[in-house]
Amino acid sequence: AQSVTQPDIHITVSEGASLELRCNYSYGATPYLFWYVQSPGQGLQLLLKYFSGDTLVQGIKGFEAEFKRSQSSFNLRKPSVHWSDAAEYFCALILTGGGNKLTFGTGTQLKVEL
Amino acid sequence: EPEVTQTPSHQVTQMGQEVILRCVPISNHLYFYWYRQILGQKVEFLVSFYNNEISEKSEIFDDQFSVERPDGSNFTLKIRSTKLEDSAMYFCASSDRPNQPQHFGDGTRLSIL
Repeated sequence: AQSVTQPDIHITVSEGASLELRCNYSYGATPYLFWYVQSPGQGLQLLLKYFSGDTLVQGIKGFEAEFKRSQSSFNLRKPSVHWSDAAEYFCALILTGGGNKLTFGTGTQLKVEL
Repeated sequence: EPEVTQTPSHQVTQMGQEVILRCVPISNHLYFYWYRQILGQKVEFLVSFYNNEISEKSEIFDDQFSVERPDGSNFTLKIRSTKLEDSAMYFCASSDRPNQPQHFGDGTRLSIL
């Protein structure tokens, strides 16, 4: 069965520092990949998606992610973190070739130090 | 920007009671979903719905659960006889096409006493 792994449960960075959140997936083919962000008390907001083509995708709020097929990874990055980026970040996938359900990772809680 | 809206934001119910969670998906979307997130755990898929039918459901979505689109705008999740382990945040989502990004509501926190 497919799965998504986010190895870092908590990450703390200083405001202005760069950020990379890791995501690995397990699936026989290339899935559709997504990053969502969840602020406290709110729903899941889509940051970006990868379907095919250019392996570096740009999203909202200055985030980008790079798909690496050889590493089955889809890491999220931001060059300079803002205090408002503190939230929980979820990597997720949808299988190609059938089904619409999102399979989520366990999430990474980001704390930003001022 | 269009939003998915969910009501209520918090529901407290006695064990064994029926509960209905309500969602208004984005108006031109045709694919609807329910997910849940037990405190401290990952977001889990419950069910997807298209053309007035369940498209896919997870093992969690047993006979105690049902979904309905009672009119042109609402999408509901009913739990017939709630258990303590049903306590979770329930998220509704919608998309305009299959495999496209799903847009989520803010969730309903369900607390079973």
